[in-house]
Amino acid sequence: EAQVTQNPRYLITVTGKKLTVTCSQNMNHEYMSWYRQDPGLGLRQIYYSMNVEVTDKGDVPEGYKVSRKEKRNFPLILESPSPNQTSLYFCASSLSLAGGLSFGANVLTFGAGSRLTVL
Amino acid sequence: AQSVTQLGSHVSVSEGALVLLRCNYSSSVPPYLFWYVQYPNQGLQLLLKYTSAATLVKGINGFEAEFKKSETSFHLTKPSAHMSDAAEYFCAVTAAGNKLTFGGGTRVLVKP
Repeated sequence: EAQVTQNPRYLITVTGKKLTVTCSQNMNHEYMSWYRQDPGLGLRQIYYSMNVEVTDKGDVPEGYKVSRKEKRNFPLILESPSPNQTSLYFCASSLSLAGGLSFGANVLTFGAGSRLTVL
Repeated sequence: AQSVTQLGSHVSVSEGALVLLRCNYSSSVPPYLFWYVQYPNQGLQLLLKYTSAATLVKGINGFEAEFKKSETSFHLTKPSAHMSDAAEYFCAVTAAGNKLTFGGGTRVLVKP
C-alpha cells in the first residue's frame, strides 16, 4: 500500500529534550515536506526537500532541523523543544517533476500525523 | 507571494442541505488550487484540484469547486450534505512550484 508513515504518533516530552519524528514514504517520491497544524492557522510548512540532500526552509523553520540522506526518509529533528512547539505535525510527499509549475499539478500524500506535547 | 483565506472557521449544515465553503486566494501568477479534507484523527486527503483545465472541477464524494479568476475564488460546494461529510476542509494554493500554502481550515458540522 502506498503510504507515508510517521512515528511516533503521540509523544509527550519536556523542554530541552532532543527528539526526532521519523517520516518514511514507499512511493519513490522526490518531494517531501513537514507541516505543523495549529487551530485557526491551518497547516504551515516547516521544511521541504526537493530531492536527496536538497532541503529548504518553509514558513516556520525556527527550532527545527531536517535531513534527507535517503529518498524515502525525511526526519524532523527538534534539538531543544519548547512549549510553543506543541502541535500536530504532518509529513507529506509528492512526485516532483522538472520545472517549478509542474509540481503544482501533483498531489500531496499525507501521513497520519504526530501529536507532540512539550511540557 | 501567495495566500489563501477561508471565510468561516466553522460551518453548520443540516443533513440534505447545501454545503458551501468559501476560499479566496492571492497569487501573482496563475495558480493551482486544491481542496483537502481531514477526517478526525487522520491526515489530509485530496478532494479535488484545479490545474487550469476546466474551471468547474468535480471531486470525490459529490463535491465540486468552481475557479473564478475575476473573483480570485475557489469555493467548494456539495448539493446535499451527508453525516459522513463532517470533517475539516482546507483550501490550498501553489503558484511557486515548490510551495503549497494552506488556508486556516473550515470545520463542518452536519446536523441530523
